[in-house]
Amino acid sequence: GQSLEQPSEVTAVEGAIVQINCTYQTSGFYGLSWYQQHDGGAPTFLSYNALDGLEETGRFSSFLSRSDSYGYLLLQELQMKDSASYFCAVNPGGFKTIFGAGTRLFVKA
Amino acid sequence: DGGITQSPKYLFRKEGQNVTLSCEQNLNHDAMYWYRQDPGQGLRLIYYSQIVNDFQKGDIAEGYSVSREKKESFPLTVTSAQKNPTAFYLCASSTTGARGEQYFGPGTRLTVT
Repeated sequence: GQSLEQPSEVTAVEGAIVQINCTYQTSGFYGLSWYQQHDGGAPTFLSYNALDGLEETGRFSSFLSRSDSYGYLLLQELQMKDSASYFCAVNPGGFKTIFGAGTRLFVKA
Repeated sequence: DGGITQSPKYLFRKEGQNVTLSCEQNLNHDAMYWYRQDPGQGLRLIYYSQIVNDFQKGDIAEGYSVSREKKESFPLTVTSAQKNPTAFYLCASSTTGARGEQYFGPGTRLTVT
């Protein structure tokens, strides 16, 4: 089968750095995406990694290791507004995207 | 402003009734998708469409139907055959299929009693 594993919850304090990991097992792999979703809202795209390495976009960075079927999202200088659910998603080929179950991030003051 | 609209935001229906959820985009995207999200869960693909007049079943298509008569519109019908229809339904679109960024609408929360 095809599966993505990510922690269900992570808690961190304001101003800190947090890393959300994602491991995947899929029949094909074209890239790993990350989405943020606030309660009751729509997911919004954060990043996409097709090749190994680190991609940085402001306070957010995303890493991919294709050989390890592993990636992570790194959030720096955490703010209260970063409290949300974060989903990793894999494109196994074609037009489908497979989403993980999501990691709920709680940012404490 | 370009984007995706879904209506209504909240929808209540009685068991045994079909209900159609609207999804419209003005982003000129070729691909459109319907996902279902249950509390505390990820997104599961119901149907997707790459071009007008063509659509494919996703992982949980049973009890749902779609049409794609116009590029801008991709309505989803939740039929009475869907055993657990109460959920949050999200529509999305993208330019290059799943390899590219998907833009999501605000979602419709359907409650069936």
